[in-house]
Amino acid sequence: DQQVKQNSPSLSVQEGRISILNCDYTNSMFDYFLWYKKYPAEGPTFLISISSIKDKNEDGRFTVFLNKSAKHLSLHIVPSQPGDSAVYFCAASALNNDMRFGAGTRLTVKP
Amino acid sequence: DTEVTQTPKHLVMGMTNKKSLKCEQHMGHRAMYWYKQKAKKPPELMFVYSYEKLSINESVPSRFSPECPNSSLLNLHLHALQPEDSALYLCASSPPTDSPLHFGNGTRLTVT
Repeated sequence: DQQVKQNSPSLSVQEGRISILNCDYTNSMFDYFLWYKKYPAEGPTFLISISSIKDKNEDGRFTVFLNKSAKHLSLHIVPSQPGDSAVYFCAASALNNDMRFGAGTRLTVKP
Repeated sequence: DTEVTQTPKHLVMGMTNKKSLKCEQHMGHRAMYWYKQKAKKPPELMFVYSYEKLSINESVPSRFSPECPNSSLLNLHLHALQPEDSALYLCASSPPTDSPLHFGNGTRLTVT
């Protein structure tokens, strides 16, 4: 049962434009949401998070939006840079350290 | 450089072998995790240790046996694996709940 879903396996954007990655979840007990970035041959690296009491969190070029009623979150990267090219995983957890991941979206930023 | 160190980076083992994967962190994190990731799939949670006690076991077959000797170390003992167990095994650690996981770079396991 896939509790965290990323329905777009890939996304390609032009350098300088906005990248929007989407994620949906089914478990209403999730209260903490994260985005990870993964390069080949490396483990996932934490990017940004948001708790369920907020609807937006911003860190430099990265902003995460949470819509609890729709059980949807998104990651906006603006402006996108070629170095942002990687696989992005959405993750969510409840109180018990049980963190679940989406299938990932491969972002390609073209120069 | 990752603050979670996993060894070995690569492992090839036969179905009758016994081997162990090792994970170490010195960030003082009290939760440690094993995830399994197959190609083009999300990391799948296997085990969680909280304060050196097993708190989550996601119905993992007994041929995978976790061990947490102390707050800095996490092992995964492997015995009688199947070829379909070939995957990237990721270790992670975190402070208590609602904190990001810090991942190691994984052990790429191939079972022949």
